[in-house]
This record gives sequence, C-alpha cells and structure tokens, in this order.
Amino acid sequence: QLQLQESGPGLVLPSETLSLTCTVSDDSITSDNYYWAWIRQPPGKGLEWIGSLNYGGATYYNPSLNSRVIMSLDASKNQFSLRLTSMTAADTAVHYCARYRWNDDAFDIWGRGTMVTVSS
Amino acid sequence: EIVLTQSPGTLSLSPGERATLSCRASQSVSSSYLAWYQQKAGQAPRLLIYGASSRATGVPDRFSGSGSGTDFTLTITRLEPEDFAVYYCQQYGNFIFTFGPGTKVDIK
Repeated sequence: QLQLQESGPGLVLPSETLSLTCTVSDDSITSDNYYWAWIRQPPGKGLEWIGSLNYGGATYYNPSLNSRVIMSLDASKNQFSLRLTSMTAADTAVHYCARYRWNDDAFDIWGRGTMVTVSS
Repeated sequence: EIVLTQSPGTLSLSPGERATLSCRASQSVSSSYLAWYQQKAGQAPRLLIYGASSRATGVPDRFSGSGSGTDFTLTITRLEPEDFAVYYCQQYGNFIFTFGPGTKVDIK
C-alpha cells in the first residue's frame, strides 16, 4: 500500500523558516486523481489543514496561514514540500502529510507525522 | 469559511454500548465532502467515512455515517475496546478544508 513519510528538522528557531518534505512511496504523485496536503496538530489539540497542491500546479492554502506558506512538488523525486516562514511557538505541532483522493473526497492516506518544536 | 462544531466534547461509554457523535456545520456542506476520521493516541488519523455515509476500505460495519446539510452523525453500534479514540469530522468547500474540534470517546 502507498506510504507517505515526512522528513525535516525537529527543532526550529523562532522567526526562522520551517522546511518539511513528504516522500510518496510510488509515482502516484503525478496522478490527476489526488491532491497532496499538509495538516498539523498542536500538542493536545485538534487538526488544522495547512494547504494542498496537485501535480498540475494548483495550490490552496489555509487563509489563516496563506501569507506564510509555500508548497511545492518534485515529481522526479516523488516528493512534495512545505515551507512555513516566521515560525513562532504557536506553530509547534505534529505535522502530517496526507493524500486527498478526489473519488472519495477525503484524506485517505496519512504519514506518521513529524513533531516540530519552535524554541530558542 | 465553514466552521464545524462537534458534540459532545467527550463521550464516556462502556464496551458494547452505542455511540452517537454529532458534527454541525455553520453553513450547508455538500454530503460528498463530509468525512470522519478516527485518531488514537500517538497515531495519525485514519479515514473512516467519506461522502457522509460511505465506509472506507477495511472499516467495520459497526461504523456508519449519516446526515446532510448542516447536521451529520457518526454512529458506532457496539463499541469495541479498540474504538475508544478521538473522532474528527472534516469538510471541503471553496478550496478550503476544515476539521471539527473532535469528540473523545473514552471508557466509562
């Protein structure tokens, strides 16, 4: 079955930029049937969608984070990435990458998540 | 932006009992775009229900979803020990995805 794996730093300094990568285990990243997403979860709290993109270049971001988020996709590496600027302690969270399947209209596959802590 | 509200915040039940979880939207949601997820401690969420009422692959039939418009329900007919977890509803509309705050189902 398809697997997603997040990678990136576990610790980010305040005001710096977070960069995370999600590796997709097959080449379905090029399929028109899927969007690829980042979702985060602060400790002890609920889920927050950060943004989504597809192979065709369409990107959608959470309006509350829009000015700080850039997502990109590298099909040659079966990866997609997240950059989140101006990090603060409020951005401390487990960050998940996930696949959104248009046929089901839901996030059907999730990575295990990676904890990102913002602290000096 | 559509806001989802879930109730109750916590549901304390015994194994074998029926669980009824509510998800209410601040404006009408297309049933096609309403999903439910289960999250256990330390794990990623798992898709349970999509399209308001369709079970995802491998999900037991004791889980069912219903509803339309602004009111949706997740029902677990007979709670198994592995069902004690947090449940989130999620909707998509106007290129924005939002999640509800979650309902925790814990052991009474």
